[in-house]
Amino acid sequence: QQLLQESGPGLVKPSETLSLTCFVTGASISSSSYFWGWIRQAPGMGLEWIGSVYFSGTTYYNPSLTSRVTLSVDKSDNHFSLSLTSVTAADTAVYYCARWVGSSDVFDIWGQGTVVTVS
Amino acid sequence: EVVLTQSPGTLSLSPGERASLSCRASQSVSRSYLAWYQQKPGQAPRPLMYGASNRATGIPDRFSGSGSGTDFTLTISRLEPEDFAVYYCQHYGRALWTFGQGTKVEIK
Repeated sequence: QQLLQESGPGLVKPSETLSLTCFVTGASISSSSYFWGWIRQAPGMGLEWIGSVYFSGTTYYNPSLTSRVTLSVDKSDNHFSLSLTSVTAADTAVYYCARWVGSSDVFDIWGQGTVVTVS
Repeated sequence: EVVLTQSPGTLSLSPGERASLSCRASQSVSRSYLAWYQQKPGQAPRPLMYGASNRATGIPDRFSGSGSGTDFTLTISRLEPEDFAVYYCQHYGRALWTFGQGTKVEIK
């Protein structure tokens, strides 16, 4: 069974760095078939793509967040990570990790999401 | 950057009725890169459609997708109680992923 699971602190102070990890089971993060993405959802709002990372380390970021976001992959431990610097209350959201399948161009598997509050 | 605009914001319908949800792109896009997701309260989104008209795994055939260019539609032929949820369209292109703002389908 293919699963994604987000992990990280639920509370971050303003101006500090938000760090989350997505652990992947049942699939190899080194596969050339996938991108690995982060999407967030502020309370009562819609979905916002944060960025995507390929197994090679190639990254793509939302232009509105690119100055504060870094994504990385750890092939040895089969996980990928998100770092968001200088957070404010506007970064309070549910953060999802998800797998993008190149053959069908869809986020086909999502983590359950993790709530991050900036306060 | 492609902007996706979904309409209506909220659709109030009864079980058994037909739902038509619109997703309009700010510029012409390839239908290959247009997907739809369903999200229920407290849950992660789940994929419904990819390539504009291909149902994802396990999605019943009352869901269908259509469209091309700038106008795309998700249709639910007969609403079941479990279909009341929020629906998002999403586009991928030039290394950017974008979501529409969502349409809520609520029970009338």
